[in-house]
Amino acid sequence: AQTVTQSQPEMSVQEAETVTLSCTYDTSENNYYLFWYKQPPSRQMILVIRQEAYKQQNATENRFSVNFQKAAKSFSLKISDSQLGDTAMYFCAFTPYDKVIFGPGTSLSVIP
Amino acid sequence: GAVVSQHPSWVICKSGTSVKIECRSLDFQATTMFWYRQFPKQSLMLMATSNEGSKATYEQGVEKDKFLINHASLTLSTLTVTSAHPEDSSFYICSASRLTGVWETQYFGPGTRLLVL
Repeated sequence: AQTVTQSQPEMSVQEAETVTLSCTYDTSENNYYLFWYKQPPSRQMILVIRQEAYKQQNATENRFSVNFQKAAKSFSLKISDSQLGDTAMYFCAFTPYDKVIFGPGTSLSVIP
Repeated sequence: GAVVSQHPSWVICKSGTSVKIECRSLDFQATTMFWYRQFPKQSLMLMATSNEGSKATYEQGVEKDKFLINHASLTLSTLTVTSAHPEDSSFYICSASRLTGVWETQYFGPGTRLLVL
C-alpha cells in the first residue's frame, strides 16, 4: 500500500527559530513527485515546495527547504526564521503514478 | 497567476435537495481538476479526478451517482451533491492543474462549506 506518514500531529516553534516537519512515505514506484502544502486557518491550500524524485538536489523556496532522502523514503520540511504567518496545518503529499496521496498533517503553531 | 475560485463558499440546504458547487480556473486552462473532501482536523480525501471532456474517475468508495462531476470546459468543473443528507456535510475543495497527470502542481480553490440540515 502506498501511504504517507507524518509522525508529528502538533508542533510549536518560537518566532524566528527553525523547525523541521517530518514526512515518510511508502511506495514501490521509482518516479514520483513530492509536495508540501500549507493550510492556514482560512483553509486555503497553498503550495509550499515541490520536489521531483529523480532530482538529487533538495528543493528550496526562500525560508523553506526540504531534506529528501529517496532511499529512506523521507521528505522533511525545514522552515527557517519562522514567522507568525507560518502557523498552519502542513500536509505532505506524493504522487506515484496516477494517485495523489496526502499525509494526515502536522499542525504548526508559531509562538511570538 | 494560477488562481482557482469556488462558488459558493458556504451553502446550507435541506436534506433531500441537490447542491451544485462550481470550480473555475481564472487565469489558466485546467486540463485536470480534482475534487476533495475534508472533515474537521483531518486530511484531504480525494473524491475524483476529471479531465476536460472526459468522464470523471472516482476513488474507491465514492458514489458516482451521488457526487456528479462535470468538467465541461478547460476552466470549469462542477460537483453536484444529489439528494444531500446530513452525512454529506463537509468541506469540499477543488484543485486544478495545467497539464494531465497528478504529478503536476495543483492549485487549490478556497473550498466550499456544505451544511445539510
